[in-house]
Amino acid sequence: DGGITQSPKYLFRKEGQNVTLSCEQNLNHDAMYWYRQDPGQGLRLIYYSQIVNDFQKGDIAEGYSVSREKKESFPLTVTSAQKNPTAFYLCASIGTSASYNEQFFGPGTRLTVL
Amino acid sequence: QQQVKQSPQSLIVQKGGISIINCAYENTAFDYFPWYQQFPGKGPALLIAIRPDVSEKKEGRFTISFNKSAKQFSLHIMDSQPGDSATYFCAASNDSTDKLIFGTGTRLQVFP
Repeated sequence: DGGITQSPKYLFRKEGQNVTLSCEQNLNHDAMYWYRQDPGQGLRLIYYSQIVNDFQKGDIAEGYSVSREKKESFPLTVTSAQKNPTAFYLCASIGTSASYNEQFFGPGTRLTVL
Repeated sequence: QQQVKQSPQSLIVQKGGISIINCAYENTAFDYFPWYQQFPGKGPALLIAIRPDVSEKKEGRFTISFNKSAKQFSLHIMDSQPGDSATYFCAASNDSTDKLIFGTGTRLQVFP
């Protein structure tokens, strides 16, 4: 079964703690993405990586960090510097389908800061 | 220039009716316009997409209409069903970057 897995599904964190969200794909996709989703604001890009050992900041990278040591894995760390981390986090990867690139999404992780 | 503006924010349609969601963009370099469907607690899934070389694309009950000169595109859902109740996002990208710019989403509710 090919796809993107994210874990955990729900995550609770105390203020001041760092937390890492997992994203794994077995689609053999080169590019991977992290988005944050808040009600009424759509999806906002946090970080993306187009190749192993390389990644770029998206529109709202402050307070977040990533690594891309393996093609299939792109973990996101939400640091204590992120002032408002409660949100739904989505990981995605890009593959090629027909005449355009389709971005596939994982099921998401809902992070709540207590 | 990087924004994609989506409207309406929410939409209520009766079963069997037509649902229409609109998006507008500024960046003329965009050349890929997908629509994503998202059910509560799930990740978005690609519904249908279009390139600017055609003005319309239809897949089953879902149609994208594209107006290049007006820099607008819209999603039409014919014969709307309660199972279509979800949040819909339009997006746009320039192939050279592969970064999708998303609209703010439309919450569609279809009542029987």
